[in-house]
Formats: sequence, C-alpha cells, structure tokens
Amino acid sequence: GIQVEQSPPDLILQEGANSTLRCNFSDSVNNLQWFHQNPWGQLINLFYIPSGTKQNGRLSATTVATERYSLLYISSSQTTDSGVYFCAVERKSSGDKLTFGTGTRLAVRP
Amino acid sequence: KAGVTQTPRYLIKTRGQQVTLSCSPISGHRSVSWYQQTPGQGLQFLFEYFSETQRNKGNFPGRFSGRQFSNSRSEMNVSTLELGDSALYLCASRSAGGRYAEAFFGQGTRLTVV
Repeated sequence: GIQVEQSPPDLILQEGANSTLRCNFSDSVNNLQWFHQNPWGQLINLFYIPSGTKQNGRLSATTVATERYSLLYISSSQTTDSGVYFCAVERKSSGDKLTFGTGTRLAVRP
Repeated sequence: KAGVTQTPRYLIKTRGQQVTLSCSPISGHRSVSWYQQTPGQGLQFLFEYFSETQRNKGNFPGRFSGRQFSNSRSEMNVSTLELGDSALYLCASRSAGGRYAEAFFGQGTRLTVV
C-alpha cells in the first residue's frame, strides 16, 4: 500500500513562532487532506489539497503532487494550535480509503 | 448544516461482549467510512459504505462488521470484544460521489474494553 511519512514527529514552539510540517507519500494520489486532531479526538479539516496552494488565515498548505509531498505552514502560532496534525491521502486504486500519516505532535508554549 | 454525529461518545465494555456504534453523516452525504485509532497502530481504515453497499474493507478480522441504512446512517458492530479493541472509532462522511471527495469526521466514540 501507499506509505505516508510525516515530519517532524514532535515540535515545540514558542507562541508567535512559525513552523512547517511535511508530508511525503510514496505514490500518486487523488486526494490529500490535512487535519488537526483536538484534545477530544475529533479530526478538524484544515485543507483539502490534492495539488496546488491554499491559504486560510494563519495556515497555508502546498502540495507538489509530481514530487509527492505536501507542506503545512503555521504562522504566528498560538497555544490553541497545539495538538496533532495529520496528513491523509487517497490513491486512485485504493478504493475509497484514506491512508494517514503518523502525525506531527505540536506543542505551543505561551 | 449539522456535522457528522457519532453515538455514543464513550463506552466501557467487558471482554467477550459485543458493541454497536452509530454514525449519522452530513445531510446529503451518501458515503460513510469507519476508522480505528490506537496509540500503537495510528489511524486505520475499517470499511466504507455507499448507498447501503460496502465498497471497501480494511484488514480487520471478521468480528468487525458494519452496515448502512437507506437514510445513509451507518452502524459498526464489534463482536467478542478483546482488550486490543480499545480505541477511538471515527466515522467520516463524504458527498454524493464519495471517491476522492473531502472527508469530514465525527467526534468519535471512545471504546474501552476491560
């Protein structure tokens, strides 16, 4: 199956700092999503971005499908950004399932 | 527009029992998928239903089963519970076509098997 690797696995930031999270995947994909898992376990949609660049407030994401990676940028981080960030991909032949990376655990200190 | 609703939020069951979890998708969404999240295995795909038909199934034993009703609500059942089934179970819904569409997740059901 497709492999999805996220880096770094853990990240500690001071409030106000910027960060870049990376997601590498091993095959062509038709869907790529970024999620933030809150402390209660819910996956919050950040971006649906199979290719290209999108921005939403302090967050932005870029997927370079031809090179099989995606980046999530967090600017001016806040303590509420803390949590686990997941990248999930769907391959054309995978039949309706998302394959998740192992996540990046982010802690933002006040 | 209401989001994906999962019930119950928390469950404690004894080994050997069975459990049924419920998921109501976003109105108009016909695709429902289930995922299991554990600290050791991460997020893993269980199965996906579209228009009451299972379209895809992950690598889980037959004790894990599911179904979808005509109103797109879905249930998953785990029989003969084992300690290792303790996990967060997440349900996702997608719009009409399902495939490659954006998935939206519910708040999850946290199952503890004792």
